[in-house]
Amino acid sequence: GQSLEQPSEVTAVEGAIVQINCTYQTSGFYGLSWYQQHDGGAPTFLSYNALDGLEETGRFSSFLSRSDSYGYLLLQELQMKDSASYFCAAAGEGSNYQLIWGAGTKLIIKP
Amino acid sequence: DTGVSQDPRHKITKRGQNVTFRCDPISEHNRLYWYRQTLGQGPEFLTYFQNEAQLEKSRLLSDRFSAERPKGSFSTLEIQRTEQGDSAMYLCASSWQGTGTTSEQYFGPGTRLTVT
Repeated sequence: GQSLEQPSEVTAVEGAIVQINCTYQTSGFYGLSWYQQHDGGAPTFLSYNALDGLEETGRFSSFLSRSDSYGYLLLQELQMKDSASYFCAAAGEGSNYQLIWGAGTKLIIKP
Repeated sequence: DTGVSQDPRHKITKRGQNVTFRCDPISEHNRLYWYRQTLGQGPEFLTYFQNEAQLEKSRLLSDRFSAERPKGSFSTLEIQRTEQGDSAMYLCASSWQGTGTTSEQYFGPGTRLTVT
């Protein structure tokens, strides 16, 4: 089967750094995407890793290791507005258009 | 262009009725996707269009569901004989890519369907 596993909830303090992990099991893997979704809102794209290594975009960075079928999203200098659900997603079996999504990680930020 | 729009934003219907949702993607985007999302879960892929051609459809998708994109612009998703299990948020997304994999998709605000 195809699946992406990520923690259901992570709690961190404002100003801190938090890492959200994602392990995947898919065939025909092309890359790992990360999306943010606030309660009641639509998912918004954060980053995409096609190659191994770290991609940095402002306060957010994303990492991929194909050999370990593992990636993570790193959020630095946490702000209250970062409280949201974060999803990893990957192209699935036999398709490079059909994204398979994890169940999401709810990030709770405390002041 | 202000982004992907969906209509209606909310729909309440009785079991057994048909419903139709509309999605207007970002105008220059050639790819359009439909997803379904329930509380506490990630979006579940339903179907995908490149221009007007429906290229992929989830194997899990019931034949009560049908989607069209007649002119390669807006798309409609119809659910026939709705069931209570169809209650969910229906999300539309679009992207522009000439070749290669999908990575960055732009989502609309969704249509929340409640089947009573």
